[in-house]
Formats: sequence, structure tokens, C-alpha cells
Amino acid sequence: DQQVKQNSPSLSVQEGRISILNCDYTNSMFDYFLWYKKYPAEGPTFLISISSIKDKNEDGRFTVFLNKSAKHLSLHIVPSQPGDSAVYFCAARGYGAGSYQLTFGKGTKLSVIP
Amino acid sequence: DGGITQSPKYLFRKEGQNVTLSCEQNLNHDAMYWYRQDPGQGLRLIYYSQIVNDFQKGDIAEGYSVSREKKESFPLTVTSAQKNPTAFYLCASSIRDSTDEQFFGPGTRLTVL
Repeated sequence: DQQVKQNSPSLSVQEGRISILNCDYTNSMFDYFLWYKKYPAEGPTFLISISSIKDKNEDGRFTVFLNKSAKHLSLHIVPSQPGDSAVYFCAARGYGAGSYQLTFGKGTKLSVIP
Repeated sequence: DGGITQSPKYLFRKEGQNVTLSCEQNLNHDAMYWYRQDPGQGLRLIYYSQIVNDFQKGDIAEGYSVSREKKESFPLTVTSAQKNPTAFYLCASSIRDSTDEQFFGPGTRLTVL
């Protein structure tokens, strides 16, 4: 059973417009959420995170929104740039078996069209 | 420069052979992880280690083995018992019990012929 879901495998956005990537989760015990960006044949790089006690975190062009009641978070990129084209993974942190672990979604491939 | 290195970037092996993937970090992180990524899939946890000489199975540990003899190193062995070993393997590390992110290496693409 997938605990972290990214239901859109891909998204295309015009350069300069807003990109919105969505993520849903089922485990109410997740307490921290992260977004990673990944280029082909490279490791993911951390983008932005949010604690479950907050509903918004902003870092430059990137903003993450968390709606705990809906178990939903979203990543907004504005304005979108061609260099933002990558796969974006949503991850959620949970505690189990004596340690914290991250559970990843399947990713959304963002294409920013010049 | 601090970071995580994985070698080699591409690896080819014949079916039935064991192969060991290297992962080294100089970030002084206590925790290290191995993930596997398949096309259209998220990252799935194979093994993780919170401290030297200790490690735990992740969600898909069958057919894999690890060791953690040094803080800096967390090699992964893909054994012949792993039914579908061809994949992209990612190593990561983090400050133990930290709220911060995991740092990932560049990955190793393993192809079993």
C-alpha cells in the first residue's frame, strides 16, 4: 500500500508560469515532509521541507503548502524556468523500528517549455 | 569538499555473480542508507545503518547484504539471490535522528546481463 502518492507522473508548464506539484499521504504519523529534485542519472538533491506543525514554507521561487486535514501537500514553483525540468519526489518522514525513515512517492516529471 | 561518492557510475555483471557497490561519505554523518530506483518508481529502501556495526533491513532487503565497519563506508552487495538486480542504486546519508534531509550520492547504474 503506497503511503505517499504523487498521482501525476508528468507535468508540462510554460516558462514563467507557475508549476504546482501535488502529493498525498495516508499515514497521519508522518511528521516532516521533503521535496527532492532529480536529474537523469544523478542522485536526488534536497529542495525544500516542511514540518507538520506548519502549513507553509517558502524559499525563493519554491513554496511548499501542507494541508494536514486533507493529508495533502503541494510544491509551487514560480516563475518556472527551463532548468527546473526534472523529476520531483515527495518524501515523508515517519518513525518506526527505532529510527526515522523516509517514504518516497513515485515522482512527477516536470517539463518547463521555453 | 564534503559529500557522498558512489563508484562506479555504471556496472555490468553476468547473471549469477555477486557484485558490491561502493558508498563513501565524508560528511561525518552517522546514518547511511541504500535505495533502489526502477523506472516510474519512487525510491525504495533496501538497508540502512544508524551507527557503525549496526544495520537494519528496509522494505526490499531480500537478495542484498551490507556491512558498516567504518563510519564513512556502507558497501552494498547484490547477491545472485536478487531476482531483478538491474536498477539504479542510490546511497544516502544523514545526521542521526536529524530533522534535516538525506544527502544522496550520484548513484550506480547496475545492469545484469
